[in-house]
Amino acid sequence: NAGVMQNPRHLVRRRGQEARLRCSPMKGHSHVYWYRQLPEEGLKFMVYLQKENIIDESGMPKERFSAEFPKEGPSILRIQQVVRGDSAAYFCASYAGEGYGYTFGSGTRLTVV
Amino acid sequence: DAKTTQPNSMESNEEEPVHLPCNHSTISGTDYIHWYRQLPSQGPEYVIHGLTSNVNNRMASLAIAEDRKSSTLILHRATLRDAAVYYCILREYNAGNMLTFGGGTRLMVKP
Repeated sequence: NAGVMQNPRHLVRRRGQEARLRCSPMKGHSHVYWYRQLPEEGLKFMVYLQKENIIDESGMPKERFSAEFPKEGPSILRIQQVVRGDSAAYFCASYAGEGYGYTFGSGTRLTVV
Repeated sequence: DAKTTQPNSMESNEEEPVHLPCNHSTISGTDYIHWYRQLPSQGPEYVIHGLTSNVNNRMASLAIAEDRKSSTLILHRATLRDAAVYYCILREYNAGNMLTFGGGTRLMVKP
């Protein structure tokens, strides 16, 4: 089991470009969570998805950010028209269900220049 | 998720046991106690979780107070690789909700 896979590990974008972050959960996990960690700060929840559904997006900025978890393929966190303040580490986690812990990926470090 | 309180930082000597405390006085009967750690430049890593009884696994032990208002994560023999931020999180059973991370405890291990 390869664990939660995130790619790319590092992403550099110029202001105004789009960033696409991918997350493949562990095999058999149907719950995916995205978190953001700004430099020297804690992890903040962004969005919780199950296959083809957004369950909770209360932590997601209302503009420029979107997430999906299609029936086939990885979950995608999309940031349009990036700004310097979007520079952060973005982590996703997957979850098998009650009785288990959450498994996090190694993250994507986004740098906006 | 209910709130937890942890010391900002702790120090330990290598090869000695470490006891990381967590207070959660407003815990409800359906809240599980989860512990995660985050090593520098890595994603959080699951350590252990429990409900009422003490729990042991290959990484650590979790001691839960009888009234459940506090818990302690025990690393039996700290190594330099255990230097990380340790997060104590309450998660409601079957809520399907996210984990809410607080500030955690930064553990420093001295050789």
